[in-house]
Amino acid sequence: NAGVTQTPKFQVLKTGQSMTLQCAQDMNHNSMYWYRQDPGMGLRLIYYSASEGTTDKGEVPNGYNVSRLNKREFSLRLESAAPSQTSVYFCASSVTWTDNEQFFGPGTRLTVL
Amino acid sequence: ELKVEQNPLFLSMQEGKNYTIYCNYSTTSDRLYWYRQDPGKSLESLFVLLSNGAVKQEGRLMASLDTKARLSTLHITAAVHDLSATYFCAADSYNDMRFGAGTRLTVKP
Repeated sequence: NAGVTQTPKFQVLKTGQSMTLQCAQDMNHNSMYWYRQDPGMGLRLIYYSASEGTTDKGEVPNGYNVSRLNKREFSLRLESAAPSQTSVYFCASSVTWTDNEQFFGPGTRLTVL
Repeated sequence: ELKVEQNPLFLSMQEGKNYTIYCNYSTTSDRLYWYRQDPGKSLESLFVLLSNGAVKQEGRLMASLDTKARLSTLHITAAVHDLSATYFCAADSYNDMRFGAGTRLTVKP
């Protein structure tokens, strides 16, 4: 039981490049989330998927897109990376949106030059 | 808009001492969560508080929730070095999940 997994662990991009961060969970959770963590700011919700087939914007969605590929997988795409998107990205999942104890993946450290 | 504030942001404690971290939130919240994060690591769920007056304890940590005051506390009893980490609270209101900035706790011998 791996829990929540994320790939890659580290990534360096140049401004304007695109990339997709992958997230998968094997806990049969319905809800999945993407956060970014910046120093001194806690975690901020980018997008979430309350259930398979649905996605919604969180607090800071600009510059990102998401896909809930199936119940297990939730990807985050940066279409044209900017230095302001340098951050640590965490994926999380919970049983349902209303049972919102979230389980986090190990994170992806992204640097945009 | 839901806002979550923690204080203090930095806390240096002596082993064996007690202290409390405070978490205030700005609007009615359905649930309150506490997480722990070790340096360079992910977040680990500590407590989920679902109702007014809820109190949960795990080892040297105890969390409580006062929904009328919009306040949760994380109390540390007889701190030990292993508790050194960053602690986050998060509040959840009408599908809006917000985290506090975190309290970086250092426990010194």
